[in-house]
Amino acid sequence: RKEVEQDPGPFNVPEGATVAFNCTYSNSASQSFFWYRQDCRKEPKLLMSVYSSGNEDGRFTAQLNRASQYISLLIRDSKLSDSATYLCVVPGTASKLTFGTGTRLQVTL
Amino acid sequence: NAGVTQTPKFQVLKTGQSMTLQCAQDMNHEYMSWYRQDPGMGLRLIHYSVGAGITDQGEVPNGYNVSRSTTEDFPLRLLSAAPSQTSVYFCASSYSNGDGYTFGSGTRLTVV
Repeated sequence: RKEVEQDPGPFNVPEGATVAFNCTYSNSASQSFFWYRQDCRKEPKLLMSVYSSGNEDGRFTAQLNRASQYISLLIRDSKLSDSATYLCVVPGTASKLTFGTGTRLQVTL
Repeated sequence: NAGVTQTPKFQVLKTGQSMTLQCAQDMNHEYMSWYRQDPGMGLRLIHYSVGAGITDQGEVPNGYNVSRSTTEDFPLRLLSAAPSQTSVYFCASSYSNGDGYTFGSGTRLTVV
């Protein structure tokens, strides 16, 4: 099993739709997680952290399921500007990050 | 506050040449890392540092050297460039373990 696995997509959704991505991880000792957003030919940018209790920021909600070892990202009321690749990130020791390969989202009119 | 600054943005090297990718941050972050990003493989850790004078290898360190003489700077040296090192390189920094990283805008390197 890969350390971090994501469905590469693309997820094609209309504006206003709700879309969810999952990410599975193999290291059961991992305590914190992140979702990053990466636009085409740009650097990754931190979208949100994922805590045991979940995390919500506006239209974005991140959840953690430790028993099944996956994290999820829910985007409500999708905007054209949400089109990007979403990277699941699992920190290891000494703040080393393990990245998933990303899930591509395309929001259309 | 410039964040994480990487130079150059683009570079073409011939096989066997050496060069240094520069990375500087002005946020007083202790943790700094270098990643490379290749299509279909995600970002992979090359080297990292948890503070000035301390560096360690990541997942794909071969062919690269780093040093961390100051908190601000973390240069990545390619010793003898190979076509397999054609990639996009990102430098990133973080305040502490468990915090998210801030990334530089990347260096697109082509080795011919």
